[in-house]
Formats: sequence, C-alpha cells, structure tokens
Amino acid sequence: KNEVEQSPQNLTAQEGEFITINCSYSVGISALHWLQQHPGGGIVSLFMLSSGKKKHGRLIATINIQEKHSSLHITASHPRDSAVYICAVGKGGNQFYFGTGTSLTVIP
Amino acid sequence: DVKVTQSSRYLVKRTGEKVFLECVQDMDHENMFWYRQDPGLGLRLIYFSYDVKMKEKGDIPEGYSVSREKKERFSLILESASTNQTSMYLCASSSANTEAFFGQGTRLTVV
Repeated sequence: KNEVEQSPQNLTAQEGEFITINCSYSVGISALHWLQQHPGGGIVSLFMLSSGKKKHGRLIATINIQEKHSSLHITASHPRDSAVYICAVGKGGNQFYFGTGTSLTVIP
Repeated sequence: DVKVTQSSRYLVKRTGEKVFLECVQDMDHENMFWYRQDPGLGLRLIYFSYDVKMKEKGDIPEGYSVSREKKERFSLILESASTNQTSMYLCASSSANTEAFFGQGTRLTVV
C-alpha cells in the first residue's frame, strides 16, 4: 500500500499545452513537496506546500488538506519541462513518503 | 549554489567491495537522509539521521550502514556490495518544516 499515489504515471503533451499532475496521500502530513528529476538523476525541489497555492513562473502547485490532494500545473509547456515529477509528503518525525513519479514528455 | 553534494555521480564497483557514498550539506540542517530509487518502486528510505552520531533505520536498511560524525556529512556504507544494490542513491537534508534539499544522485552499478 502506497501512502502517496500519483497520476498519471506517464504523460505526453504537445508544446504549449496545459499540464496537470495529481497527487493523493493517505497520511497526515506537515508539508507536501513537488520535486523534478531530469534525465541523469538530479532532483530539484520545486515547491513545498502546507496549504493553498504557490506559483513559480509557469508552475503552479495547489493543495487541499481536507481532501488530501495536491496538483502540479504547468502552463505553456515546453520540451525542457520533460522530466519526472515526484510528489513527496513530509509526515513530521523527519520522514518523507514519495510517489513513484509522473514521467512527462513534451513534444515540440 | 550547490547545497547538498554527493561525492560521485557515477560509480562502478565489484561484488564484495566495500563502498562509501558521501553526502555533504552546507545548510546546517539537522536531518539527513539516504534513499535509493529503483524503476517502479520510487524512492525508498534506507537510513536517516536527525543529529550527529544519531541514526534511524528506514524501510530498507538491510545491507547498508551509515555514519554521521559531523553535522554536515552523512555517509552511506555498503559493507559488501551486491548486484541487487545497483541503483540510484539520493541524499537529502532538511530542517524542521523546511524544504528538503536533494543531492544530484549517485548511480551505482555493482558488477
């Protein structure tokens, strides 16, 4: 049983499309993270959320604590957005639980 | 500005070798973590440390040990590497209620 579920697992989009990646979790959390992993392995933290919504450039992340759900949106997608996007929840106690990731490919 | 540094991006080791993976963070974080990442399984916690000389087992500690002698450095040790330890290894650090910062990852191949 996974504490964190992401959907879809794989996503292919045309350049310019609006993209949504979803994350649902089943545990109480202190914060939720969205991470980006490019080919080659390096992981970058995009957002940390405990409520509401955050925006950074073309990326928007939202969280609904009552529904235990978060979404990552990418507006005007670009091929350089191609990466694996990982949802992670911090449970307090210094631990994180990770989704298995969404592999995004943006085609020019 | 690199905040979490892993000593190697790629490593190839032979079965039975002792392997050290080093992770250093420059943010004075209390918490440091080692994960491995495998296709279809995502990131799984091997060990974490919440203070110098303190360590806790994660979900998959078998075959690994760790060392945290200084706050900024957290080492993962494979006492006798095996082929099933071929994986991507990721180090992370955090403080209470802060973002987690991740290293670039070490892709270890055991032959």
